[in-house]
Amino acid sequence: NAGVTQTPKFRILKIGQSMTLQCAQDMNHNYMYWYRQDPGMGLKLIYYSVGAGITDKGEVPNGYNVSRSTTEDFPLRLELAAPSQTSVYFCASSYGLEETQYFGPGTRLLVL
Amino acid sequence: GESVGLHLPTLSVQEGDNSIINCAYSNSASDYFIWYKQESGKGPQFIIDIRSNMDKRQGQRVTVLLNKTVKHLSLQIAATQPGDSAVYFCAESGTGSARQLTFGSGTQLTVLP
Repeated sequence: NAGVTQTPKFRILKIGQSMTLQCAQDMNHNYMYWYRQDPGMGLKLIYYSVGAGITDKGEVPNGYNVSRSTTEDFPLRLELAAPSQTSVYFCASSYGLEETQYFGPGTRLLVL
Repeated sequence: GESVGLHLPTLSVQEGDNSIINCAYSNSASDYFIWYKQESGKGPQFIIDIRSNMDKRQGQRVTVLLNKTVKHLSLQIAATQPGDSAVYFCAESGTGSARQLTFGSGTQLTVLP
């Protein structure tokens, strides 16, 4: 299986533009997560989902929205891009109680 | 607030030597700890984990030690290889339905030839 996949790999946005970062997993994991990683820093949790139809805020949710209509997909939406959202975004998934999270390759976003 | 931190931001070791990467945590309620490896331009990759009811856990060339008394976690890599060069993150998981992970800022391991 492919594991966790993310698209696009890289994107440049102008301030105020919107976009959706795609994330999919084929491991039938219940839990999915979105993180952002700023240069030289660890990962910060933006949003997470414990199953289809259920989402909740993480540590840094402002400026983002998510949805979870299926088990496989967990898109992250940026409505009004700001320079502060320049970062690398990682999607992850886990079966649940095992806690081990498997990460996608990341999406590098530059907001100018 | 609670945090997970690393003692050293960078570590350089000779190829073939053993590496030790340290991590301090402050949340005494954390009961699950994970080490991730992140190579340049890639997502974090799971290395090894340990639960709070254990002091030591071994994998292939890696060992994680947990000292709950001083809230300290370490990752030992035996016979370090060039492919081990990466940023290593420790993460803790506390209570909560989503078992949210809190990540440290990472240690850059460089393996010298």
